[in-house]
Amino acid sequence: KQEVTQIPAALSVPEGENLVLNCSFTDSAIYNLQWFRQDPGKGLTSLLLIQSSQREQTSGRLNASLDKSSGRSTLYIAASQPGDSATYLCAVDSGNTGKLIFGQGTTLQVKP
Amino acid sequence: NAGVTQTPKFRVLKTGQSMTLLCAQDMNHEYMYWYRQDPGMGLRLIHYSVGEGTTAKGEVPDGYNVSRLKKQNFLLGLESAAPSQTSVYFCASSPLNSYEQYFGPGTRLTVT
Repeated sequence: KQEVTQIPAALSVPEGENLVLNCSFTDSAIYNLQWFRQDPGKGLTSLLLIQSSQREQTSGRLNASLDKSSGRSTLYIAASQPGDSATYLCAVDSGNTGKLIFGQGTTLQVKP
Repeated sequence: NAGVTQTPKFRVLKTGQSMTLLCAQDMNHEYMYWYRQDPGMGLRLIHYSVGEGTTAKGEVPDGYNVSRLKKQNFLLGLESAAPSQTSVYFCASSPLNSYEQYFGPGTRLTVT
């Protein structure tokens, strides 16, 4: 059974710092991995989707990497801003059906 | 475009009552999903649909029923609510050629 883990559960950094969020999964046979952002009391916003054949995706200050063989993905946030404060969730699709298995998220606080 | 909308935003039920949560999307997406989010458990898939008239079970389907009579709508029903169904419910949709999921704002349900 696929399991997704995100460490740490919470992270606090000063504004301007570059940071890395980690996601690991137990079964390397995945079709894609997605990173989402969730603000308190809100729904999820898709940030990046990496297909299994890809190694990374970039959007603005965000860069997500995927290493299937080791069962890991990282989300790199450059030059963090207070507006980046949110919970970041990763999710994997193991069956090419859109049925996502989510990690429990990393709550990020960027201090001014 | 409104994207994915959910009705209602909040609801309090008594044990044994029934209700229907409505999800609507205006992006002409084929796939639709219902998740629940609980503290310490993360997001878990309840049911999903790969097209109009089709539904399938997800990870935690017991106690819920769904219907997809129209492509743009996906209904989640609770026939006899239980306190264990207290949660935040999210609906999502994705297009046929990509599994990037777009989420609604959520429905906070409390069962007393």
